[in-house]
Amino acid sequence: DAGITQSPRHKVTETGTPVTLRCHQTENHRYMYWYRQDPGHGLRLIHYSYGVKDTDKGEVSDGYSVSRSKTEDFLLTLESATSSQTSVYFCAISSRENYSPLHFGNGTRLTVT
Amino acid sequence: KQEVTQIPAALSVPEGENLVLNCSFTDSAIYNLQWFRQDPGKGLTSLLLIQSSQREQTSGRLNASLDKSSGRSTLYIAASQPGDSATYLCAVITQGGSEKLVFGKGTKLTVNP
Repeated sequence: DAGITQSPRHKVTETGTPVTLRCHQTENHRYMYWYRQDPGHGLRLIHYSYGVKDTDKGEVSDGYSVSRSKTEDFLLTLESATSSQTSVYFCAISSRENYSPLHFGNGTRLTVT
Repeated sequence: KQEVTQIPAALSVPEGENLVLNCSFTDSAIYNLQWFRQDPGKGLTSLLLIQSSQREQTSGRLNASLDKSSGRSTLYIAASQPGDSATYLCAVITQGGSEKLVFGKGTKLTVNP
């Protein structure tokens, strides 16, 4: 899986609680992405990073924040989880923007009750 | 806004058959197009990446073609096997856009022994 580890793999949390998902890579790739996958919507970009401390919003960024303090780690935080954020979250990495294939982690299944 | 469509949504074929999966996109100004495979409960695996200047890419029994002017790509799978059963997704990166990789909703392929 191209050296990408997502943690946790599964999480159940209650509405209103903060949640942090972690993506760790061993490939030293510059670009990292967070996607969510939902039935009927496919994969949608939440946030992405183009370097340490360099991040930008994607298509569905409301309610999410990210941080990248090291090349290998990209954190996704739900400040106050809502039921609409129940989803499968995927991290992806690439070495060269727009010209390199994306490699995905195995995902985190998050359930907000 | 770039939109990616995959038809059919599901396909069932007998083992050994050659098959074609279709992907269309609305904005032809793309950097590249990627085909992915997703197994249940897993992340996406990159199969083929076609740069905008290329017409096709091949990997083993897989051949992907790109017709940028008509906004179409096909994934050809030769001599299908039960192990090819998975969901296949295509995605494009659009020039000048902030959408990054835009995904289709996928075609679920079942190859019957």
